[in-house]
Amino acid sequence: DQQVKQNSPSLSVQEGRISILNCDYTNSMFDYFLWYKKYPAEGPTFLISISSIKDKNEDGRFTVFLNKSAKHLSLHIVPSQPGDSAVYFCAASAPDQTGANNLFFGTGTRLTVIP
Amino acid sequence: DAGVTQSPTHLIKTRGQQVTLRCSPISGHKSVSWYQQVLGQGPQFIFQYYEKEERGRGNFPDRFSARQFPNYSSELNVNALLLGDSALYLCASSSPGWENTFGSGTRLTVV
Repeated sequence: DQQVKQNSPSLSVQEGRISILNCDYTNSMFDYFLWYKKYPAEGPTFLISISSIKDKNEDGRFTVFLNKSAKHLSLHIVPSQPGDSAVYFCAASAPDQTGANNLFFGTGTRLTVIP
Repeated sequence: DAGVTQSPTHLIKTRGQQVTLRCSPISGHKSVSWYQQVLGQGPQFIFQYYEKEERGRGNFPDRFSARQFPNYSSELNVNALLLGDSALYLCASSSPGWENTFGSGTRLTVV
């Protein structure tokens, strides 16, 4: 079963506008959420994260919002740039007694920023 | 500084064969995780090793095994390959306080 869902497989945005990527999760034990960005022929690159004790985290042009009651998070990119064109994965992790920090990934959203 | 390195980058195997994939973590990182990414899906967790011990295992059959060496490098082995094992295999290393850093992956094709 898919515990992390990204229901939009693709998104196109004009350069300079805001990109909003959405993610939903089902496991209430998740306490840490991340966004990764992936270019073709490369591994995912960490972008930004948020702990479940926060509802917002900002890093430059990237902001992640967490709504725990709705089990929903979103990534805002503003302003969007052509170099932001990539596949974005939402990921989540839950505390584990063994200390494992395995990530549960969504299926990804392909963002295209049009110049 | 070198990132996470994986070898080989591409591999073609026949059904029923066995394959070994290799990963070298970032210097100083003691944890290595393996993920499988099938086309059109997100990465799925296979194993995590820390200090040479298995810390976590995903929902994969026993045909999948892994180990970590004293220098923290790791190998992922898959026996009795099936067509469905065709995927991008990603290795990630991490250290306390640092996020998982992924390598570029090994593209395995089973024919």
